Amino acid sequence: DVKVTQSSRYLVKRTGEKVFLECVQDMDHENMFWYRQDPGLGLRLIYFSYDVKMKEKGDIPEGYSVSREKKERFSLILESASTNQTSMYLCASSLSGIGYGYTFGSGTRLTVV
Amino acid sequence: DQQVKQNSPSLSVQEGRISILNCDYTNSMFDYFLWYKKYPAEGPTFLISISSIKDKNEDGRFTVFLNKSAKHLSLHIVPSQPGDSAVYFCAASQYSGNTPLVFGKGTRLSVIA
Repeated sequence: DVKVTQSSRYLVKRTGEKVFLECVQDMDHENMFWYRQDPGLGLRLIYFSYDVKMKEKGDIPEGYSVSREKKERFSLILESASTNQTSMYLCASSLSGIGYGYTFGSGTRLTVV
Repeated sequence: DQQVKQNSPSLSVQEGRISILNCDYTNSMFDYFLWYKKYPAEGPTFLISISSIKDKNEDGRFTVFLNKSAKHLSLHIVPSQPGDSAVYFCAASQYSGNTPLVFGKGTRLSVIA
């Protein structure tokens, strides 16, 4: 069964900490994405990557960075966590080309205190 | 500005009846549309899709209708079951080019037994 695995289901971090959220997919997908889900705001795209070492800003990149050193792994980094980054973070991957949907991970619920 | 709009944050339906979830889009370049279903504490899962060359696509109890002139699509679930209770996200993309999916804010469906 193909999978997108997010390293943690729940995380609690302190304000100002540097936070790493890891995502690994085993489907040899070229594309990987990071979204956050907040009540009333739906899914908002933070960053995405179409290839190793490539990254593109999404709609809300401020306060975040990403790393993609290997095809299967896409990391989201909160440089200095703040309380407004408390959210559900969702990683997804997809094949390149037309008509492919995304496979999502189970999500990481991050609380910044 | 929202390119994909789900104007109903929530919907309640009796078990066995039809559920109709609506989605509007503004970008005329969108030509591929998907519905995702999300349970709490899980990632979204793909439900059904439709390309702009069709106006209807069925998969079991789920049917998606597309009205290109109105830039409107709808998801019909017949008959509705309690297990269908979830948040449903509409998403859109351009068939050509490798652009990320754009998601609506979601509609929470409650199917009452």
